[in-house]
Amino acid sequence: IAGITQAPTSQILAAGRRMTLRCTQDMRHNAMYWYRQDLGLGLRLIHYSNTAGTTGKGEVPDGYSVSRANTDDFPLTLASAVPSQTSVYFCASSEVSGANVLTFGAGSRLTVL
Amino acid sequence: SQKIEQNSEALNIQEGKTATLTCNYTNYSPAYLQWYRQDPGRGPVFLLLIRENEKEKRKERLKVTFDTTLKQSLFHITASQPADSATYLCALDINRGSYIPTFGRGTSLIVHP
Repeated sequence: IAGITQAPTSQILAAGRRMTLRCTQDMRHNAMYWYRQDLGLGLRLIHYSNTAGTTGKGEVPDGYSVSRANTDDFPLTLASAVPSQTSVYFCASSEVSGANVLTFGAGSRLTVL
Repeated sequence: SQKIEQNSEALNIQEGKTATLTCNYTNYSPAYLQWYRQDPGRGPVFLLLIRENEKEKRKERLKVTFDTTLKQSLFHITASQPADSATYLCALDINRGSYIPTFGRGTSLIVHP
């Protein structure tokens, strides 16, 4: 079934540790995104990529980095996790058009202690 | 301040009634507005897109209106069913022409049998 695969589904991490959340899509979409979702704050954009080789910062990029080496993969890295990064992370993808419709993954629940 | 406003209180309705959810925005002139559904523990799923030059869009039991003068979109579910219980998110381009939608915080709908 075409879509987005995120891994891990859930992770508990000690503060200060490095963590990479993986995201792979098989729809050949040009654009990919990372959002975090927190209770009461909704979905907030962390980073995005228009196409392979390019990335951009969203609303809350601090403490996170991304790379887009190819069309299908868009990993999100926390270089040194902090408790405020405890959240549910969603990867999404879309064609680049005037009103992009996003396809989301199932999410990765991250707890930083 | 909140960029896109959705009622934070859950909407409780009886099965068979029409559910109406509201999305208000200020200080923007979006070219489009989208509605997504999110079930607990899952990623959002796209439902409907409406553009600024469209007053109304329908899909099966769903209807969306878009009033750019009032800066408001209404999302209706007719003949609601318990299976319609979920959180509904609206999203729009707060930077006009941007292909990246910004999401509201969502409204929880609970349909009672």
